[in-house]
Amino acid sequence: DAGITQSPRHKVTETGTPVTLRCHQTENHRYMYWYRQDPGHGLRLIHYSYGVKDTDKGEVSDGYSVSRSKTEDFLLTLESATSSQTSVYFCAISESRPWGDQPQHFGDGTRLSIL
Amino acid sequence: DQQVKQNSPSLSVQEGRISILNCDYTNSMFDYFLWYKKYPAEGPTFLISISSIKDKNEDGRFTVFLNKSAKHLSLHIVPSQPGDSAVYFCAARGNNAGNMLTFGGGTRLMVKP
Repeated sequence: DAGITQSPRHKVTETGTPVTLRCHQTENHRYMYWYRQDPGHGLRLIHYSYGVKDTDKGEVSDGYSVSRSKTEDFLLTLESATSSQTSVYFCAISESRPWGDQPQHFGDGTRLSIL
Repeated sequence: DQQVKQNSPSLSVQEGRISILNCDYTNSMFDYFLWYKKYPAEGPTFLISISSIKDKNEDGRFTVFLNKSAKHLSLHIVPSQPGDSAVYFCAARGNNAGNMLTFGGGTRLMVKP
């Protein structure tokens, strides 16, 4: 299994509070991703990183920010959590080559409930 | 608008029979297609992929078929086993530097003993 650790695994918090989720990898992969999984929507990309301090927005980035100060760590922050951000959050990593398939490998997720 | 769709939210199959999971896409620029399997409380696990220049890829009990003209792919599992019971996601990769994937909504497969 790819060395990906997400923390915390579960969190319950209140609307309006800041929340930070952490993704840590031991594979030294260049690319890291944050997704959210909701019923009927599959996995939707929030933000991704293509290197230290290099990040970009995904499909559902509003209300989220990210940071990557080291290759191994990718943080997802909800500055002021809302109930619509209740979801399961997955981190993924991948290498990248200009051609050829490079599957993303996923962590085990963080279940976040915002009351 | 969803670019990758899995129109069957669930599928039930008898052990030993074939499971066929389907996926449709709209973006003709996708160059790789992947299938992931997900068990409860775990992350998705990569299963099999296919390049857009091929129409079939096989790995043991799993075969993925791609029909580019119909923008359709399918995953065949033969024979199905109870341990195959999971949610299956298809995903597609466009020609992008970030290796980003677009996922379908998933199909829950139940294999009955």
